[in-house]
Amino acid sequence: AQSVTQLGSHVSVSEGALVLLRCNYSSSVPPYLFWYVQYPNQGLQLLLKYTSAATLVKGINGFEAEFKKSETSFHLTKPSAHMSDAAEYFCAVSLYNNNDMRFGAGTRLTVKP
Amino acid sequence: NAGVTQTPKFRVLKTGQSMTLLCAQDMNHEYMYWYRQDPGMGLRLIHYSVGEGTTAKGEVPDGYNVSRLKKQNFLLGLESAAPSQTSVYFCASENPQGAGSPLHFGNGTRLTVT
Repeated sequence: AQSVTQLGSHVSVSEGALVLLRCNYSSSVPPYLFWYVQYPNQGLQLLLKYTSAATLVKGINGFEAEFKKSETSFHLTKPSAHMSDAAEYFCAVSLYNNNDMRFGAGTRLTVKP
Repeated sequence: NAGVTQTPKFRVLKTGQSMTLLCAQDMNHEYMYWYRQDPGMGLRLIHYSVGEGTTAKGEVPDGYNVSRLKKQNFLLGLESAAPSQTSVYFCASENPQGAGSPLHFGNGTRLTVT
């Protein structure tokens, strides 16, 4: 069965610093990978997705993620954090469709002024 | 442009009571989902529907029932609530267009069972 592990339940960065949120996956077949963001008291929004095209995926709000098969990783990065990036971020994996999607436990990002 | 709307936003139940959560979407999406979100566990799929009149079990279906009588609505029922069902419930919809179609989420229902 497929699964994801997000390293670090809480990450804190200063405004303007690099954001790095880690995600490692496990799957028996080539996966589809996603990052979703959840702002307080809201539902999740899709940030970006990997569906076997380019390994470097660009998303909204300046975020990007790189699929590394050899490391089974799909880490999320942003060169310069903004206060508005404070939220919870979820990595997710699916094999065939959204019915089999599995979410990670989430990483809460705090941005300090 | 409402998107996915969940009602109610908050609810407190006593053990053994029943309730229904309503999810409505105005995007004419074919697929709909119910998830629960618990601290440190991410989101887990309860039930889903790939079309009007069809439903299927997800990862954690026990204690819940669902119905999709109309394409735009997906109802989640708890027949006899238990404290273990205290959670935040999210509904999502999808316009299936191949691999990686995005999910569109509602803002959630926070349920407490005492």
